[in-house]
Amino acid sequence: IAGITQAPTSQILAAGRRMTLRCTQDMRHNAMYWYRQDLGLGLRLIHYSNTAGTTGKGEVPDGYSVSRANTDDFPLTLASAVPSQTSVYFCASSHGSNQPQHFGDGTRLSIL
Amino acid sequence: GQQLNQSPQSMFIQEGEDVSMNCTSSSIFNTWLWYKQDPGEGPVLLIALYKAGELTSNGRLTAQFGITRKDSFLNISASIPSDVGIYFCAGRTINTGNQFYFGTGTSLTVIP
Repeated sequence: IAGITQAPTSQILAAGRRMTLRCTQDMRHNAMYWYRQDLGLGLRLIHYSNTAGTTGKGEVPDGYSVSRANTDDFPLTLASAVPSQTSVYFCASSHGSNQPQHFGDGTRLSIL
Repeated sequence: GQQLNQSPQSMFIQEGEDVSMNCTSSSIFNTWLWYKQDPGEGPVLLIALYKAGELTSNGRLTAQFGITRKDSFLNISASIPSDVGIYFCAGRTINTGNQFYFGTGTSLTVIP
């Protein structure tokens, strides 16, 4: 059972570059989410999608964009990376938008 | 955003001891979740709670939804080395739609 697959596993990126983090789930979950995890701050929601074709802003959306063209994929794009976006990024999904979320293994992103 | 206070921040215990940790919020929650995160991996759901006063077990883990609906507790009995990790609470309130807020985590170290 694959669950949620995130790619890449880790990345070092120069500031100003564009970067897309990929997330794919094979559980046919309707809702998907992107979080960033920073030391001492826990997990903070960046963007979410309750169903294919819809997206919404979370707690810390600035500098990030998402799209949800189909049920399985939910890519996160940094249009112009900045050092403060150095973090571990987790994708999650849930059957319904009010159901417990299941997480991928994360993408470790360093912006230099 | 919502304030979720999780305590303690870290714990060092002897193998075989029981563990207690808790999470409090500034708002009334209608769902509480407890996750465990191992190094280099994403959080894994341990227990979900949906009603005030609810007590739910998962093996040696027991979690409770506080009667005030502003807190939740997680207990681990007879700890073993594989219990090492970071434990996160997460909660949801109807005032914030379906967004879950996460605590900052309790780091557990079990000394054999």
